[in-house]
Amino acid sequence: AQRVTQPEKLLSVFKGAPVELKCNYSYSGSPELFWYVQYSRQRLQLLLRHISRESIKGFTADLNKGETSFHLKKPFAQEEDSAMYYCATDTGRRALTFGSGTRLQVQP
Amino acid sequence: SAVISQKPSRDICQRGTSLTIQCQVDSQVTMMFWYRQQPGQSLTLIATANQGSEATYESGFVIDKFPISRPNLTFSTLTVSNMSPEDSSIYLCSVFGTGTYEQYFGPGTRLTVT
Repeated sequence: AQRVTQPEKLLSVFKGAPVELKCNYSYSGSPELFWYVQYSRQRLQLLLRHISRESIKGFTADLNKGETSFHLKKPFAQEEDSAMYYCATDTGRRALTFGSGTRLQVQP
Repeated sequence: SAVISQKPSRDICQRGTSLTIQCQVDSQVTMMFWYRQQPGQSLTLIATANQGSEATYESGFVIDKFPISRPNLTFSTLTVSNMSPEDSSIYLCSVFGTGTYEQYFGPGTRLTVT
């Protein structure tokens, strides 16, 4: 079964510092990978997916099949980036398997 | 996109009782998903509900405990039966937006079992 690992429960950085939220997956095929974000008092929402190769709110994520990783990066963190971030993969049945989540705190 | 509403938003229930959670979507969708998020944990898929067929449950979840209805393409219910404190969680429903790969989530139902 697919598994998604986010090793950090909490990541605290100062405003303007670079951010990297780690995500590793276990999947033998070609995975569909996503980053979801949940801001305070808001519902879970899609941030980006690897196929689109977009940069959303300054965040990017590159799929590294050799390292089975899909780390989320942003060069300069903003206070409004403080949220819970979940890495997820498609189960093959269009449902999602989520990692345990990383809380990002951006301090002023 | 898809707009999802859930009822109730929260409830406090006694052990041994049952609670039915409703999920309403503003567009017709084939598949609806129910997730559970236990305190301090990530989201775990409970089941997938397709209209006109039995729900498909994930390992560790059974129909007797979490019966699901899917009477039409915009609505589903999840019942948490014979509740115990371990069922205290946030329950979320989700769907894929029409023609997209983006999964949309409801606001969640926060259940506390005493």
